Amino acid sequence: DAGVTQSPTHLIKTRGQHVTLRCSPISGHKSVSWYQQVLGQGPQFIFQYYEKEERGRGNFPDRFSARQFPNYSSELNVNALLLGDSALYLCASTWEGANTEAFFGQGTRLTVV
Amino acid sequence: GESVGLHLPTLSVQEGDNSIINCAYSNSASDYFIWYKQESGKGPQFIIDIRSNMDKRQGQRVTVLLNKTVKHLSLQIAATQPGDSAVYFCAEANAGKSTFGDGTTLTVKP
Repeated sequence: DAGVTQSPTHLIKTRGQHVTLRCSPISGHKSVSWYQQVLGQGPQFIFQYYEKEERGRGNFPDRFSARQFPNYSSELNVNALLLGDSALYLCASTWEGANTEAFFGQGTRLTVV
Repeated sequence: GESVGLHLPTLSVQEGDNSIINCAYSNSASDYFIWYKQESGKGPQFIIDIRSNMDKRQGQRVTVLLNKTVKHLSLQIAATQPGDSAVYFCAEANAGKSTFGDGTTLTVKP
């Protein structure tokens, strides 16, 4: 069984550019959440999607957006990249948007130069 | 807002000893907690969870204790092994959103 898969694994972008990160949840999971993890800190919640609708949003600027597709995969988009956006971006999937364990992908390491 | 914090950023133990990692939370309404292990270059991996109607839960070599009175939980790892070396996070989960602390780095000395 495939776990949560994220692509790409590493990415280097220039300030001001746009980036799209992708996530495929575990088969059967309908909820996807995105987290940003800055080096030395715990993951910070960005978005949660369930059945293609936004369920929750963390304290991130409008430059961050996401969507979920009919097959439950998801994209995270970040516009007008800043140096401070450099981080590991993690995707997690759960059966539903309920209180159950989340399964994380290995993340996308984004470096903004 | 809610917050979750760990007491010690680093912990070093001898192989074979028991490890205890502590965590405090602020939201008294929190009812579901998860401990994750994160190895270098990987995403967090589920270790064990506990709901607020319990005060103890055991897994394989791991035990989580929850004290709702002082809003504290701990992760105990028995007979710590070199493969246990990682960063450990406690998280409060609510409807699919998890709030993480900053992690404790566990180093196991051979």
